[in-house]
Amino acid sequence: EVQLVESGGGLVQPGGSLRLSCADSGFTFSRYSMNWVRQAPGKGLEWVSYISSGSSTIYYADSVKGRFTISRDNAKNSLYLQMNSLRAEDTALYYCARKHGTGYYYDYWGQGTLVTVSS
Amino acid sequence: DIQMTQSPSTLSASVGDRVTITCRASQSITIWLAWYQQKPGKAPKLLIYDASSLESGVPSRFSGSGSGTEFTLTISSLQPDDFATYYCQQYNSYWTFGQGTKVEIK
Repeated sequence: EVQLVESGGGLVQPGGSLRLSCADSGFTFSRYSMNWVRQAPGKGLEWVSYISSGSSTIYYADSVKGRFTISRDNAKNSLYLQMNSLRAEDTALYYCARKHGTGYYYDYWGQGTLVTVSS
Repeated sequence: DIQMTQSPSTLSASVGDRVTITCRASQSITIWLAWYQQKPGKAPKLLIYDASSLESGVPSRFSGSGSGTEFTLTISSLQPDDFATYYCQQYNSYWTFGQGTKVEIK
């Protein structure tokens, strides 16, 4: 069974940093591209970042470019999101989502980890 | 950037109703569109991909159509389990979601 489990969320002050993790099991992690998607409280979904299976291709949404860094460790079946210079508007539930093997849609999602940026 | 606009934002319907949700793209995305269902406190669930392909395990009352800039998600006979929020997503150029359509009990 495919499982994606996010962790690392919490309360952080504006300007602070946080590192999110997504532990994956039930599939061959190294063969799949992965994404981070966030959802502000009571709001819609926003794509944040993409990383290819071998980390050769990385994309960021304009809203996080230069502040967030996506990475992965295929040996540990884990995906990461390093978030720096956090702002109040980064407050959201952060999901990791697996890109389908051949299509560019997301076929599996984790349950999310909540990041709150507040003083 | 490609913008996705869903309508309506909220839809009130009864069990058994036929429900249609529309998603419009700001430029052509050919068929590169997915639909997701999200229930409160849960992660989104894939329903439809490539505009009209039904994800494995998703009931056949869900269907998708469209191409270019206009797309629809149809629920042929609304069931109690279908009251949720639905999002479209384009993946023609990066990824963008619509703002969501909440299907409520009438």
